[in-house]
Amino acid sequence: KNEVEQSPQNLTAQEGEFITINCSYSVGISALHWLQQHPGGGIVSLFMLSSGKKKHGRLIATINIQEKHSSLHITASHPRDSAVYICAVGLWGGGADGLTFGKGTHLIIQP
Amino acid sequence: GAGVSQSPSNKVTEKGKDVELRCDPISGHTALYWYRQSLGQGLEFLIYFQGNSAPDKSGLPSDRFSAERTGGSVSTLTIQRTQQEDSAVYLCASSLAQRGRLHFGNGTRLTVT
Repeated sequence: KNEVEQSPQNLTAQEGEFITINCSYSVGISALHWLQQHPGGGIVSLFMLSSGKKKHGRLIATINIQEKHSSLHITASHPRDSAVYICAVGLWGGGADGLTFGKGTHLIIQP
Repeated sequence: GAGVSQSPSNKVTEKGKDVELRCDPISGHTALYWYRQSLGQGLEFLIYFQGNSAPDKSGLPSDRFSAERTGGSVSTLTIQRTQQEDSAVYLCASSLAQRGRLHFGNGTRLTVT
């Protein structure tokens, strides 16, 4: 069982729509990251958060530590937002400081 | 440049050959990570370097994989006796501090024929 679950796996929406991508995890974490990967492109870190809410432009990320859940919201979506959005967590304990990744949400915004 | 630099961007090699992948992190970043992304799969942690501490190798899939980081800066990931299942995009990331925000390179696409 993957320790990080994302939903939906795929999402197609119309330009302007409000987008929500969800991430659930099953263990204690030190921090949660939201990453963006455009087709054929590199990975960009959007947010790193361990509590509350962060906002950058049209992107908002929230986390509920008690419920072990995070959401990424995109307001006024645009075709250039089309990408794979990946949730990743840094786990407490164990030896690795590397992240555990969700499988990603493939978002397509149609004009 | 200001970002994480990886080379080569693409590498095609024959099964059984050794390959070296290079990562040049952002200057001053003490943490460096190697990840692998196989076709249709998610990202997989390989190895982590933090400053002068011993690296965390817990993600390396076999003893054919090794990595070093010289002088706390450039890192090389070496895969010996490559197999077809090693074909993937190998990504390097660095951060200013342990568990800090990550900056990714564009990756090296490795194809083993």
